[in-house]
Amino acid sequence: EAGVVQSPRYKIIEKKQPVAFWCNPISGHNTLYWYRQNLGQGPELLIRYENEEAVDDSQLPKDRFSAERLKGVDSTLKIQPAELGDSAVYLCASSFSSTNTGELFFGEGSRLTVL
Amino acid sequence: DQQVKQNSPSLSVQEGRISILNCDYTNSMFDYFLWYKKYPAEGPTFLISISSIKDKNEDGRFTVFLNKSAKHLSLHIVPSQPGDSAVYFCAASETGTASKLTFGTGTRLQVTL
Repeated sequence: EAGVVQSPRYKIIEKKQPVAFWCNPISGHNTLYWYRQNLGQGPELLIRYENEEAVDDSQLPKDRFSAERLKGVDSTLKIQPAELGDSAVYLCASSFSSTNTGELFFGEGSRLTVL
Repeated sequence: DQQVKQNSPSLSVQEGRISILNCDYTNSMFDYFLWYKKYPAEGPTFLISISSIKDKNEDGRFTVFLNKSAKHLSLHIVPSQPGDSAVYFCAASETGTASKLTFGTGTRLQVTL
């Protein structure tokens, strides 16, 4: 069974440029999460989707960040324009449901460097 | 405000010995706790969890202990193996589920031969 797939693995851009990350969760997983991990820190939740609905986006900086999960399967996280402080690893995770104590399955992450 | 704290950035243990990784939390509303392991260039993988109604959960070589009064949990690995060398993250949730996790900063474990 394929795991959570993310792309690109690495992205280097100049500040003020846009960037987008893509995530394909494990088949059948209804819940999808985007986390951001800064250097030396633990992951921080940006947004959680239940199917195509964003049910928790309280930590998403909405002035420059946006996300979508149009068909309730794969998802895209966009930053426009990027700032130096956005340099981090962006992790996507999925689970069958958010209402159980099941584990989250993380992808390998997309490492963003903003110059 | 760091609600989940892992005060030891790194730990070195000899193969075969016990590894003890510690985690403290400040939010008394946390009721579900997890440990994740992360290898370089990979995403975190789930290791073990514990609900606040328990004080111990065991899975093979891994045991998690929860002390609610002290707001402290620990992960014991016995015996430690070289393949256990990784960064270990403690995480906590207020919802009793994994829907919204607050992670600690991680502890890098090195198991030496």
